[in-house]
Amino acid sequence: DTAVSQTPKYLVTQMGNDKSIKCEQNLGHDTMYWYKQDSKKFLKIMFSYNNKELIINETVPNRFSPKSPDKAHLNLHINSLELGDSAVYFCASSQDRLWLGPYEQYFGPGTRLTVT
Amino acid sequence: AQKITQTQPGMFVQEKEAVTLDCTYDTSDPSYGLFWYKQPSSGEMIFLIYQGSYDQQNATEGRYSLNFQKARKSANLVISASQLGDSAMYFCAVPGYSSASKIIFGSGTRLSIRP
Repeated sequence: DTAVSQTPKYLVTQMGNDKSIKCEQNLGHDTMYWYKQDSKKFLKIMFSYNNKELIINETVPNRFSPKSPDKAHLNLHINSLELGDSAVYFCASSQDRLWLGPYEQYFGPGTRLTVT
Repeated sequence: AQKITQTQPGMFVQEKEAVTLDCTYDTSDPSYGLFWYKQPSSGEMIFLIYQGSYDQQNATEGRYSLNFQKARKSANLVISASQLGDSAMYFCAVPGYSSASKIIFGSGTRLSIRP
């Protein structure tokens, strides 16, 4: 059974389009995250939800909008895609917020977004 | 603001040797945790080991151990008896004490094991 799944795995689209990435976890975790990993492998937190509540909202363009319909799902919608949005986007989950204890994150397989 | 430094962008090690990957951090939070993750070429991120700032002993997990020096703010990952499958990117991460603090990952170290 896949613990954290993301769809799609690959996404190729043109500038200006709107796209969504979906994430689901079956671990019963309370906290979920979105990360962006650039071509140099630098990993940056974008958003985090705890029990459907937004708890981390880093400085990202407001073209990026997360949504958590329930605590097992966290989706990422991106409007008006730009070339600089090309990256690998990782979803992750943890039992609780990382700063409260040894709650390691379980990562999804990543979605490679290519904007042409 | 938190900051993490991994000074070794790339390392080559002979199979079966031990290897130490450096991580230094800068945080003003009174309590924090340190995580290490592995990212093989296949792309997935895999949790390796955790150290709490108030843990009395260095964390160990199989062939992985941490050389945690709180006063120096360093948490180096030691991999004993390296294997070809250890070839990967390794990231150190420090979440802050509260959601007001960022979850910061280091820039990573690319470890290559030579047969």
